[in-house]
Amino acid sequence: DVKVTQSSRYLVKRTGEKVFLECVQDMDHENMFWYRQDPGLGLRLIYFSYDVKMKEKGDIPEGYSVSREKKERFSLILESASTNQTSMYLCASSIRSGTSGFYEQYFGPGTRLTVT
Amino acid sequence: AQKITQTQPGMFVQEKEAVTLDCTYDTSDPSYGLFWYKQPSSGEMIFLIYQGSYDQQNATEGRYSLNFQKARKSANLVISASQLGDSAMYFCAMREFQGGGADGLTFGKGTHLIIQP
Repeated sequence: DVKVTQSSRYLVKRTGEKVFLECVQDMDHENMFWYRQDPGLGLRLIYFSYDVKMKEKGDIPEGYSVSREKKERFSLILESASTNQTSMYLCASSIRSGTSGFYEQYFGPGTRLTVT
Repeated sequence: AQKITQTQPGMFVQEKEAVTLDCTYDTSDPSYGLFWYKQPSSGEMIFLIYQGSYDQQNATEGRYSLNFQKARKSANLVISASQLGDSAMYFCAMREFQGGGADGLTFGKGTHLIIQP
């Protein structure tokens, strides 16, 4: 079974703090993703990575950065947390798509971050 | 313009009835993939079913089937013989080939399905 784990299920931080959200996958997937989920908005892509040290901005990268030093680990960093970053954060991984089609993403359990 | 539209914010269905969850999409890319995910109250996202734009037949996975109407740009999820455990949020998502990069998905806003006994 594919397993994607996230470092915390719940996190409470203060405004201005630097926040690290960690994600680890055990299936040797090339692709890793960070999404945030807000009620009524669905999931929105923050950043993704298709290889070690490679990263691409998603739809809402402002206020976030990422790090991928090892293939199995993808970190989301909030340099200076703000209250509008209170959200559910979901990490996912997948095989890189090829000519045979697209592959499903496997999601972690999510981290519910509250910034006060 | 929204790329994925789910017009049903919430649905109530009697147990054992069939359910159709609507999804329409917008793309000019001839190569794309459509996904459905289930998110129970526990929060994890569970992959249900996939349909490729070039697939000739509608996808099926157990009680789940995808009613793919390419000309209408719709990809409705059909759940046969609904069960209480089907109560969850359901998300439709799309990946476009020309999106490049690492296959990020565009999600709809979801449908909250409640199965009533």
